Amino acid sequence: EVQLVQSGAEVKKPGESLKISCKASGYRFTSYWIAWVRQMPGKGLEWMGVIYPGDSDTRHSPSFQGQVTISADKSISTAYLQWTNLKASDTAMYYCARHLATGFPFDYWGQGTLVTVSS
Amino acid sequence: DIVMTQSPDSLPVSLGERATINCKSSQSVLYRSNNKNYLAWYQQKPGQPPKQLIYWASTRESGVPDRFSGSGSGTDFTLTISSLRAEDVAVYYCQQYYSTPTFGQGTKLEIK
Repeated sequence: EVQLVQSGAEVKKPGESLKISCKASGYRFTSYWIAWVRQMPGKGLEWMGVIYPGDSDTRHSPSFQGQVTISADKSISTAYLQWTNLKASDTAMYYCARHLATGFPFDYWGQGTLVTVSS
Repeated sequence: DIVMTQSPDSLPVSLGERATINCKSSQSVLYRSNNKNYLAWYQQKPGQPPKQLIYWASTRESGVPDRFSGSGSGTDFTLTISSLRAEDVAVYYCQQYYSTPTFGQGTKLEIK
């Protein structure tokens, strides 16, 4: 069974750093892309970027370039989303989602990680 | 980026009635070499992640009830629920994956 299990909710202060995770199981981790999607409170879905764990090829949305870092550790089938300087505006639910290749839809999603940034 | 625009934003429908959600892309998402529309529909229930319902504009994901159907081509697409059930209350999103993925703003489907 394909599963993407994300790390738990986080509460952080502005300026702090954070790394959240997405652990994959039930399929070959290195053969699928993992995307990250932001959902701000009460809002829609925004694609942040994607990584191909097979070779760590990474693409970012221009809206998020320089704001977050996407990485993966294929030895433990886990993808990451990282911030070094959190802002209150980063408060959102973050989802990871799997897709076969560019030009394919997102067939499995993680349960989401709620990040709250507040002083 | 391709802009996806859904209508309406909110849709009240009576149980057993048909629900129709529209999605328009700012440019065609039909890839002529394979005649596929790079368009998916997702359902998001409260407190849950999105779930893929339809891909290639009209292919139903395994396990999705056949009351859900997708149609359209090029820039105009429709998600239809033929007979609304209470468990279909959710926000529905269209997404294009022809280029950098983008989503519509969502349509909130509720019971009238």
